[in-house]
Amino acid sequence: QQPVQSPQAVILREGEDAVINCSSSKALYSVHWYRQKHGEAPVFLMILLKGGEQKGHDKISASFNEKKQQSSLYLTASQLSYSGTYFCGTELSRDGSEKLVFGKGTKLTVNP
Amino acid sequence: DTAVSQTPKYLVTQMGNDKSIKCEQNLGHDTMYWYKQDSKKFLKIMFSYNNKELIINETVPNRFSPKSPDKAHLNLHINSLELGDSAVYFCASRTAGETQYFGPGTRLLVL
Repeated sequence: QQPVQSPQAVILREGEDAVINCSSSKALYSVHWYRQKHGEAPVFLMILLKGGEQKGHDKISASFNEKKQQSSLYLTASQLSYSGTYFCGTELSRDGSEKLVFGKGTKLTVNP
Repeated sequence: DTAVSQTPKYLVTQMGNDKSIKCEQNLGHDTMYWYKQDSKKFLKIMFSYNNKELIINETVPNRFSPKSPDKAHLNLHINSLELGDSAVYFCASRTAGETQYFGPGTRLLVL
């Protein structure tokens, strides 16, 4: 049930773009994206719901392809502050009986 | 103002000891969780409580015992600590289908 994230790691120069993917073998109700910096707790970025729209704020956006059960996180014109490990969490239903299961994470490093 | 808080932030102890970690949320959420994050950064769910009722209990040694005295609190007691228990333990809370918020984490080191 654990979603699969790719790539495992990516290194960028400031201003470059990146895409992080999250795939599930099961039908999803929602996908949650988090960023965790070293020594800190995961911080919520955005949630995508089944039947919902693509989300985004600032230069970070995400999409959810229900047919493929895949979500992608898009980081454009990356900044140094984007560095960290990105996790997707997937949820199979809305009733609360299902837990939010996280992928293994994608480590993003943005260099000057 | 803190949404999800945990105490202590750091815990260094000897093998064989018993320790507790406390978690409180002031968001009015129904469900609270404990996650373990090991050195490989994998966030593994351990337990989940919904309105004081245990709803998720992953394959966790029975040395770990969660307790939820009320909807806003979820504590984790660990007996006979082992070296492999060293990790960061995160508490989290949410309402079904909505955003999940994490506490700051408790860094446990067993010597």
